[in-house]
Amino acid sequence: EVQLVESGGGLIQPGGSLRLSCAASGFRFSSYWMDWVRQAPGKGLEWIASIKTDGSTEDYVDSVKGRLFISRDNSNDLLYLQMNSLRVDDTAVYYCARDIGYGAFDLWGQGTMVTVSS
Amino acid sequence: QSALTQPPSASGSPGQSVTISCTGTSSDVGYYNYVSWYQQHPGKAPKLIIYEVTKRPSGVPDRFSGSKSGNTASLTVSGLQPEDEADYYCLSYGRRDVFGTGTKVTVL
Repeated sequence: EVQLVESGGGLIQPGGSLRLSCAASGFRFSSYWMDWVRQAPGKGLEWIASIKTDGSTEDYVDSVKGRLFISRDNSNDLLYLQMNSLRVDDTAVYYCARDIGYGAFDLWGQGTMVTVSS
Repeated sequence: QSALTQPPSASGSPGQSVTISCTGTSSDVGYYNYVSWYQQHPGKAPKLIIYEVTKRPSGVPDRFSGSKSGNTASLTVSGLQPEDEADYYCLSYGRRDVFGTGTKVTVL
């Protein structure tokens, strides 16, 4: 089955770190750019990061630059989001998504909730 | 980069049509023919329903159609069905991928 499954979310204190994972299956993971998109409670979607097929190029929204880092392991079909210096406004459901180009994300995971609170 | 502007809500009766607008700038919607639309039901992940302004992924009903004029893209849902009640978001390729503010569609 073609799917993405996120894990790693939870409750974390402000300033803490967390690593999210996204396991891909059913397709050639290494052939696709991959992205992370988040959605704060009751709010809209926000694209936050993307990574090239071979991991050589990354891009981030300004609000997470220097704190969140996207990476991938093509040998094990895994996408990661390392989250450092977490802030209360990072609280959101985090989705990984398969990128077919030019802002089109055709496969999404179910999402994992990250709550930043003291 | 600020979000693309969508109306907060839209509604229609079953069988009617509803059109949602997505207004950007000459640097995103107006420059690129790369606007996508996503449908999101409560508590669920978004689903791609339109990409590259007018293209539908396999499995998406042809009741969903997209268009663009100048800096504004539009999604039309024809023959509204109860299951079309959801939030809809546009996204434009640009210097950064920017989502729209979202539109809640209600089927009356």
